Amino acid sequence: NAGVTQTPKFQVLKTGQSMTLQCAQDMNHNSMYWYRQDPGMGLRLIYYSASEGTTDKGEVPNGYNVSRLNKREFSLRLESAAPSQTSVYFCASSGRLAGSLDTQYFGPGTRLTVL
Amino acid sequence: QQQVKQSPQSLIVQKGGIPIINCAYENTAFDYFPWYQQFPGKGPALLIAIRPDVSEKKEGRFTISFNKSAKQFSLHIMDSQPGDSATYFCAVGTSGSRLTFGEGTQLTVNP
Repeated sequence: NAGVTQTPKFQVLKTGQSMTLQCAQDMNHNSMYWYRQDPGMGLRLIYYSASEGTTDKGEVPNGYNVSRLNKREFSLRLESAAPSQTSVYFCASSGRLAGSLDTQYFGPGTRLTVL
Repeated sequence: QQQVKQSPQSLIVQKGGIPIINCAYENTAFDYFPWYQQFPGKGPALLIAIRPDVSEKKEGRFTISFNKSAKQFSLHIMDSQPGDSATYFCAVGTSGSRLTFGEGTQLTVNP
């Protein structure tokens, strides 16, 4: 049981390049999320998916697109990377257990630098 | 509009001290108040969470105090240890929905 996995762990891009960050979870969770973490700004939600086949914008969606490929996988795409997108990106998932609070489980992160 | 404000931004205590991290929110609809702990190079992990029907929750050395009328909640770490050195995030939300995280507090516990 690996939990939430993310690839790649590190990436350096040049301005204007595109790339896709991959995320997968093996906990049979319905909801999945993409966050970015910047110093002094906490975790900001980019996009989320409440269930397979649905996606919604979060707080900072501009410059990003997402795909909920199936229940396990949720990818984040940067079509034309900009230096302002230099950040650490975290994927998370959550599931509902009867009588429990909803917990989000985070992956290890992708450290992206855009030159 | 900032949904949750966290303070302080950084905190240094000696081993055995009791660091306190505070969060304040505006929206009275929030009914789920978790704290996440993040070690360097790792993703955040849930530490402890509280619902507004109780004023305090303890799990080991970690305690959440909740003041519904003041719309504030705080994390206390009893008998802090160097291994508690990490970044702590509060969050607010409604159960089963998206969370909004605070800016984070970088805690250092010196030996």
